[in-house]
Amino acid sequence: DGGITQSPKYLFRKEGQNVTLSCEQNLNHDAMYWYRQDPGQGLRLIYYSQIVNDFQKGDIAEGYSVSREKKESFPLTVTSAQKNPTAFYLCASSIDRSGRAVTQFFGPGTRLTVL
Amino acid sequence: AQSVSQHNHHVILSEAASLELGCNYSYGGTVNLFWYVQYPGQHLQLLLKYFSGDPLVKGIKGFEAEFIKSKFSFNLRKPSVQWSDTAEYFCAVRRGNTGKLIFGQGTTLQVKP
Repeated sequence: DGGITQSPKYLFRKEGQNVTLSCEQNLNHDAMYWYRQDPGQGLRLIYYSQIVNDFQKGDIAEGYSVSREKKESFPLTVTSAQKNPTAFYLCASSIDRSGRAVTQFFGPGTRLTVL
Repeated sequence: AQSVSQHNHHVILSEAASLELGCNYSYGGTVNLFWYVQYPGQHLQLLLKYFSGDPLVKGIKGFEAEFIKSKFSFNLRKPSVQWSDTAEYFCAVRRGNTGKLIFGQGTTLQVKP
């Protein structure tokens, strides 16, 4: 059963804590992305990775960090430096890094709430 | 900088009404355009996409979109909506020659039975 999984579905954290959101895909896609979704603002790109061991900042990278040690996995850490972390986080992947096949496929998302 | 604008933030329709959701983008080069849908509690999924060729693109569940280059538009249409079309709809454009996408703000569609 191919797809993108994100865990957990809901996550609560206290202010000042770092938290890591998981994203795994078994589609054999090269490129992976993290977005943040807020009401009325659409999806905004946090980080993306076109190949293992390489990633780039998106439009709103401040307060976030990522790693890409394996093709299948692209975890996102929300650090205590992120000023407004409560949001819905979506992970996506696309087939290759060449830029030719750009259709992105999305995971179910993680809703993070900072208490 | 490239941008995508969706004019309607919240649309309420009765079943069987026709739907048109506006999407305008700012980019003068070759564009790849997408409409995604997010049903309540479900993944964001692709409705349709335009890369080249026929500017009238047909997608899943009876949706279609027309690419009008002169107007920088890619409006989404459906002749007769159903209650199950209640969802949030996002227009997106490929960012230059990269694999990245720029999304619009989204339109929430509520269909009343």
